Amino acid sequence: NAGVTQTPKFQVLKTGQSMTLQCAQDMNHNSMYWYRQDPGMGLRLIYYSASEGTTDKGEVPNGYNVSRLNKREFSLRLESAAPSQTSVYFCASSDGRPHGPQHFGDGTRLSIL
Amino acid sequence: AQSVSQHNHHVILSEAASLELGCNYSYGGTVNLFWYVQYPGQHLQLLLKYFSGDPLVKGIKGFEAEFIKSKFSFNLRKPSVQWSDTAEYFCAVNGDNTGKLIFGQGTTLQVKP
Repeated sequence: NAGVTQTPKFQVLKTGQSMTLQCAQDMNHNSMYWYRQDPGMGLRLIYYSASEGTTDKGEVPNGYNVSRLNKREFSLRLESAAPSQTSVYFCASSDGRPHGPQHFGDGTRLSIL
Repeated sequence: AQSVSQHNHHVILSEAASLELGCNYSYGGTVNLFWYVQYPGQHLQLLLKYFSGDPLVKGIKGFEAEFIKSKFSFNLRKPSVQWSDTAEYFCAVNGDNTGKLIFGQGTTLQVKP
């Protein structure tokens, strides 16, 4: 029961470096999401993909790009990392129904120095 | 814009005490409501959800929540907490057809043995 798998689990970057966070799900879900979690702010949606081939901005998209590579995979890219992007990043997937629950990965803890 | 507010940021209880965590949302249309739990070091898991029918919904581990439409509230309750309930609790709302969730800030619950 893999569910939603995120890699890496931890990463330290220097300001200005780039990196891609990977996410894959094995539940045949249509929709996938990227969130960031910061203390006292809950989870905020960065980008989401309602179906393969489509992506849309969420609440906090600035500084990020995404790719829905296929139905299983949804990656998040930081082109030029900034200290403000230090956070825990969660990927999630769902069947896309409004009341369908989202299934979350274990998260990536990203520190930018 | 939709928003979710959780009034209690940090709650400390003794085992066997009763729990009620507040959640209010701002959205005038039909909503789907969720409570997620994040145990230390783990990913978010669904506790319960409401999308139609009986406004009192029961979830896993003895949790329940009541949807009160007139108060725009979806408070989480448990009659008797256990040490293992120590976790962070998030209320979330979905008010459109995309499956996107808006999360509250989270409430950290600490249960003392």
